[in-house]
Amino acid sequence: EPEVTQTPSHQVTQMGQEVILRCVPISNHLYFYWYRQILGQKVEFLVSFYNNEISEKSEIFDDQFSVERPDGSNFTLKIRSTKLEDSAMYFCASSVGLDNEQFFGPGTRLTVL
Amino acid sequence: EDQVTQSPEALRLQEGESSSLNCSYTVSGLRGLFWYRQDPGKGPEFLFTLYSAGEEKEKERLKATLTKKESFLHITAPKPEDSATYLCAVQGPETNNNDMRFGAGTRLTVKP
Repeated sequence: EPEVTQTPSHQVTQMGQEVILRCVPISNHLYFYWYRQILGQKVEFLVSFYNNEISEKSEIFDDQFSVERPDGSNFTLKIRSTKLEDSAMYFCASSVGLDNEQFFGPGTRLTVL
Repeated sequence: EDQVTQSPEALRLQEGESSSLNCSYTVSGLRGLFWYRQDPGKGPEFLFTLYSAGEEKEKERLKATLTKKESFLHITAPKPEDSATYLCAVQGPETNNNDMRFGAGTRLTVKP
């Protein structure tokens, strides 16, 4: 069964460093998303991506964040200068269409020291 | 204002003891309501999508129903492996086009 994959599973970084989180969405899906979940809190939407551009973003997704689909399979989230409060689980998701269910990857646990 | 409220926060059941989880929402013009299961340290696993009031979906011991204000996830004769956090999420005009607004979840524990 096709699934969303994410790497790395755990990333530890120093405050102020750049990190890139990687995702491989399900191959026939057209919409891609990033969410985050701070420990013990709700899953929060960050950004959606369609047709090689951002379609929606939340207020969390400020200038420190960027997304890219560098090739036909990968979808990345870059955080330019990490802060302590960026520590969270980051989930990638993909869907066939706009109103269809989103399938989530296993997540990357980001720890900023 | 929270658009998705789930109750109870935590629920402990004995194996075989059926119950229901509630998800109430305030989004008008609901485009979709989604149920997910999340195990500790894992990503949400899709269970059901409901689009209109009166709709029901079933999968094994789980059944999801939808009204104009809330959704229920009924668990019949649960087993210990059903222990997880169950998340509800909605899409509607207030959530823009693509993002899903999640509730805080109900943490279900089923004891053998």
